[in-house]
Amino acid sequence: AQTVTQSQPEMSVQEAETVTLSCTYDTSESDYYLFWYKQPPSRQMILVIRQEAYKQQNATENRFSVNFQKAAKSFSLKISDSQLGDAAMYFCAYRRRYGGATNKLIFGTGTLLAVQP
Amino acid sequence: NAGVTQTPKFQVLKTGQSMTLQCAQDMNHEYMSWYRQDPGMGLRLIHYSVGAGITDQGEVPNGYNVSRSTTEDFPLRLLSAAPSQTSVYFCASSYGAGGANVLTFGAGSRLTVL
Repeated sequence: AQTVTQSQPEMSVQEAETVTLSCTYDTSESDYYLFWYKQPPSRQMILVIRQEAYKQQNATENRFSVNFQKAAKSFSLKISDSQLGDAAMYFCAYRRRYGGATNKLIFGTGTLLAVQP
Repeated sequence: NAGVTQTPKFQVLKTGQSMTLQCAQDMNHEYMSWYRQDPGMGLRLIHYSVGAGITDQGEVPNGYNVSRSTTEDFPLRLLSAAPSQTSVYFCASSYGAGGANVLTFGAGSRLTVL
C-alpha cells in the first residue's frame, strides 16, 4: 500500500525568507503524480504544485518549487520570499497515474507553516 | 462557474441523529469523492463514485452512505451519527480517476456530534 509521510508537524519562517517542507512516500509503482496542497484558515484545499514522476525536471510555480528525488522517494516543497499569506497547513499527496476506479489521492498528515512578520 | 459546492458549512448533531451533507459540481466531472479530515491524520477517503449509478467504498466507509443519481450530485448520508464522526468533510471531484486528473475540492463542512 502507498503511504505519504510528513515528519514536520509545524514549521516557522520569517517573512521574505525561504522555507522547505519535507515529504517522503512509499510506493512500488513507477508512474504516479505527487502534489502539494495548501489549506489556509478558510479550510479551502488549494493545489500549489504538481509533479509527474516520469519528468526529471522539478516543477515550479512562481515562488513555489519542489525537489523531487524519485530514487529516494522524497518530494520537498520550497517556498521562496515567504509572505504572510503563505501561512497555512500544507499537505503532500500521492496518486497513481493508472489504477481504475480505486485510484485515490493519498495524503500525508500535514505541516502547519507559520510566517513571522 | 461555481466549482464544487458543499452544504451546510457547519452542523451540530446529537448522537443517533441522521443527516445528509450535500455536494454538487458543475464541471461535468465523472469522478466524485468524499474525504474526512481529522487532526494529525490528513484526509481519508470515505466513498467515491466514477459516474452516475456507480459508487464504492473508500478507506473509512463505516457509518456513511452515498448515492449518485446524477453526474452533478453526490450526497453523503450519516445514518446514525456518533461522536467519532465529528470531523471536517470534503467533497472533491475530477474528470476521471487517473492520476493526471487534478481534484477540485469543496470548501468543507464542519460536523460536530455531541
